[in-house]
Amino acid sequence: AQSVTQLGSHVSVSEGALVLLRCNYSSSVPPYLFWYVQYPNQGLQLLLKYTTGATLVKGINGFEAEFKKSETSFHLTKPSAHMSDAAEYFCAVSVRDDKIIFGKGTRLHILP
Amino acid sequence: DAGVTQSPTHLIKTRGQQVTLRCSPKSGHDTVSWYQQALGQGPQFIFQYYEEEERQRGNFPDRFSGHQFPNYSSELNVNALLLGDSALYLCASSLGYPGQIKETQYFGPGTRLLVL
Repeated sequence: AQSVTQLGSHVSVSEGALVLLRCNYSSSVPPYLFWYVQYPNQGLQLLLKYTTGATLVKGINGFEAEFKKSETSFHLTKPSAHMSDAAEYFCAVSVRDDKIIFGKGTRLHILP
Repeated sequence: DAGVTQSPTHLIKTRGQQVTLRCSPKSGHDTVSWYQQALGQGPQFIFQYYEEEERQRGNFPDRFSGHQFPNYSSELNVNALLLGDSALYLCASSLGYPGQIKETQYFGPGTRLLVL
């Protein structure tokens, strides 16, 4: 079975500062890993996805994540936060891109 | 190229009633999955349809049922509504047989259901 743990239900960073959202996963088979973003009253938008190959994955809006098998982690980073990054972020895992198991989410607040 | 569309956007029902939510997948996609997102929670997988059959199911009671039509669109039905069914219901579409997905899931904007 797969599961995802997101550390921190709320994270606040100053505009221009580094964004780091933490995610640890559990999977009995090689996982597919995702980060999704959800803006208020909207659906989910895929930020980036890891399947196989290069462990550093670049996504949209300047976000990237690194798959670390030894640490079972898939943390999301962005070098410089922008006010428009304020949203809910979900880490997720699946097997072969099938049903997706989501974490509980981290709400990112950007301080002016 | 239209993405995933869902209707209605909002819905208010009372306990015990039945509701039907609709989803049209992204053009070219043939697999539809449904998720329930309660307030303050991550989405939870309800079930997945491919070739008009339910292929996978999450931990949801039989009150939750679905259907997929030949044009790949899908419906989610919930019977005997409970207050706890209030949530955002998300539809996602993808391409390929479950377990051999060829293109990742794209999510629709969701239907927000309120049960009073």
